[in-house]
Amino acid sequence: GENVEQHPSTLSVQEGDSAVIKCTYSDSASNYFPWYKQELGKRPQLIIDIRSNVGEKKDQRIAVTLNKTAKHFSLHITETQPEDSAVYFCAASSRGGKLIFGQGTELSVKP
Amino acid sequence: GAGVSQSPSNKVTEKGKDVELRCDPISGHTALYWYRQSLGQGLEFLIYFQGNSAPDKSGLPSDRFSAERTGGSVSTLTIQRTQQEDSAVYLCASSLARANYGYTFGSGTRLTVV
Repeated sequence: GENVEQHPSTLSVQEGDSAVIKCTYSDSASNYFPWYKQELGKRPQLIIDIRSNVGEKKDQRIAVTLNKTAKHFSLHITETQPEDSAVYFCAASSRGGKLIFGQGTELSVKP
Repeated sequence: GAGVSQSPSNKVTEKGKDVELRCDPISGHTALYWYRQSLGQGLEFLIYFQGNSAPDKSGLPSDRFSAERTGGSVSTLTIQRTQQEDSAVYLCASSLARANYGYTFGSGTRLTVV
């Protein structure tokens, strides 16, 4: 069935370092890959997304890369700040029109 | 409205009672989704409505769960005979069309079954 695997489940970095979160997906028909950030007690919010016709997208300190052949995509955060601490979810679109989410990565940025 | 609105924000109910959770999507969004998030867990898909098509109910965990969407707008998720394992945050999201336009999530309803 449709599945998205996300690693690592927890990630701790020092302020100013980079953080990388990786996801793999199973459905070769997936063509849309968003990333959501969820702060404690808040709703998930879209931070960046990428479509299957591009390999990389960047928005300030955040970038996402996509390898369709290998069916994996990654989130890169550079120059991390304490306010980047949150749970991050990757997702992939499914044939049926919904998003399948990874299990989440809890990122902790230590000052 | 400006965002996805969910009510109530918190609900405490006794085991065995029925509950109704409401979602009001962004105006003009034809797709509406319900997910469940247990404490410290990921986002579990429940049900998806797209326009006038038959809903995708493949994620509903049991026949105690049902949902409807009236007039292509507001949706209600109903849980009958609630159990303690139903305790979770129930998140609603809407999208302009299909998932590849991205979701906007509501703030969720925190359900506690005692």
